[in-house]
Amino acid sequence: EVQLVESGGGLVQPGSSLKLSCVASGFTFSSYNMHWIRQAPKKGLEWIALIYYDSSNKYYADSVKGRFTISRDNSKNTLYLEMNSLRSEDTAMYYCAKETHYYVMDAWGQGASVTVSS
Amino acid sequence: DIQMTQSPASLSASLEEIVTITCQASQDIGNWLAWYQQKPGKSPQLLIYGATSLADGVPSRFSGSRSGTQYSLKISRLQVEDIGIYYCLQAYSAPLTFGSGTKLEIK
Repeated sequence: EVQLVESGGGLVQPGSSLKLSCVASGFTFSSYNMHWIRQAPKKGLEWIALIYYDSSNKYYADSVKGRFTISRDNSKNTLYLEMNSLRSEDTAMYYCAKETHYYVMDAWGQGASVTVSS
Repeated sequence: DIQMTQSPASLSASLEEIVTITCQASQDIGNWLAWYQQKPGKSPQLLIYGATSLADGVPSRFSGSRSGTQYSLKISRLQVEDIGIYYCLQAYSAPLTFGSGTKLEIK
């Protein structure tokens, strides 16, 4: 069974940094592209980042480009999202997701909550 | 960036009714379109990929179709467990973009 477990969320002040982790199990992590998607309170889904299975390519939404960095450690079956210069508009539930193929995500974690507030 | 215009924003329908949700892409995305269902308090679940292919374990009352750059999700006989918010996703090119969502309720 595929499992994705996010951690690292919390309450932080504007301008600060936070690093989310997503531990994967139940599939060959090193063979799949991975994504981060977020959902602000009472809002829709927003895709924010993609990393290829071998870290050869990374893509970002304009809203986080230059502030967020996606990375992975295939030896640890772990996906990361490093978030810098956090803003109030970054407040959201952050989901990691496994890609099945052609950029389609077929498994999602339960989410990590990030609140940016003074 | 590719924009996905989803409609309606909300929908109230009776049990056993046919429900249709649509997404309009701002440019040609071929069949690179997926549909997700998000139940209250839960993570999204994949329903349809490749515009028309049913994901594993998804009931056959769900179906997807495409006409040009317009994509539709149809629920043939609405059930109580189908309540939630539905999103389309264009998987043609990064940055990927979701539709704004359709909240489905039972009348």
